[in-house]
Amino acid sequence: SYVLTQPPSVSVAPGKTARISCGGNNIGTKSVNWYQQKPGQAPVLVIYYDNDRPSGIPARFSGSNSGNTATLTISRVEAGDEADYYCQVCDSRSDGLRVFGTGTKVTVL
Amino acid sequence: QITLKESGPTLVKPTQTLTLTCTFSGFSLTTAGVGVGWIRQPPGKALEWLALIYWNDDYHYTPSLKSRFTITKDTSNNQVVLTMTNMDPVDTATYYCAHSPEYPTTYFDYWGHGTLVTVSS
Repeated sequence: SYVLTQPPSVSVAPGKTARISCGGNNIGTKSVNWYQQKPGQAPVLVIYYDNDRPSGIPARFSGSNSGNTATLTISRVEAGDEADYYCQVCDSRSDGLRVFGTGTKVTVL
Repeated sequence: QITLKESGPTLVKPTQTLTLTCTFSGFSLTTAGVGVGWIRQPPGKALEWLALIYWNDDYHYTPSLKSRFTITKDTSNNQVVLTMTNMDPVDTATYYCAHSPEYPTTYFDYWGHGTLVTVSS
């Protein structure tokens, strides 16, 4: 099955840039989506189709995807960005398997 | 405004069958491209996609668990039902249903609040 690997944690100071990686075999050939989950809450979609933002998501959130790594970038980090982040893809070659990454805890120092 | 809400038992015994219902509003499962998926999250662990059904009755299950799953839709009542057989304590998790707006590339743009299911004797 298809595996998406994320770093367990990322720490960043307020106002700085956080980058969260999502590694997968030839992930650059797939569409990657990103979700933010705060404690006790349901996930929220922050990026879809590699770098599209749903309405209401700040432009500080952006994504990229190439080769074997996709990246979620959070610019000018705020305290409210502290959360778990998950990448997700659809592997059409595996009968439409949808896969979530292992998750990354972003801590704002 | 799209909303989804999960319902079902909070406690099931090992080997029992779990039936979860997702009741939604603000969209129809007769609209081309639309789907509803189920995702779970064990306490303190990562999200795990389970199943997905589309407006055209196309459906998919996560391979490791597909023998235990049945997903169905009731378009008249705006509901999607997931049935899981032979429940085990490792199935203890918060179960979410979510809306998928495009076919077949899937992302989930609206989520329910989730329902915690505990498997214990």
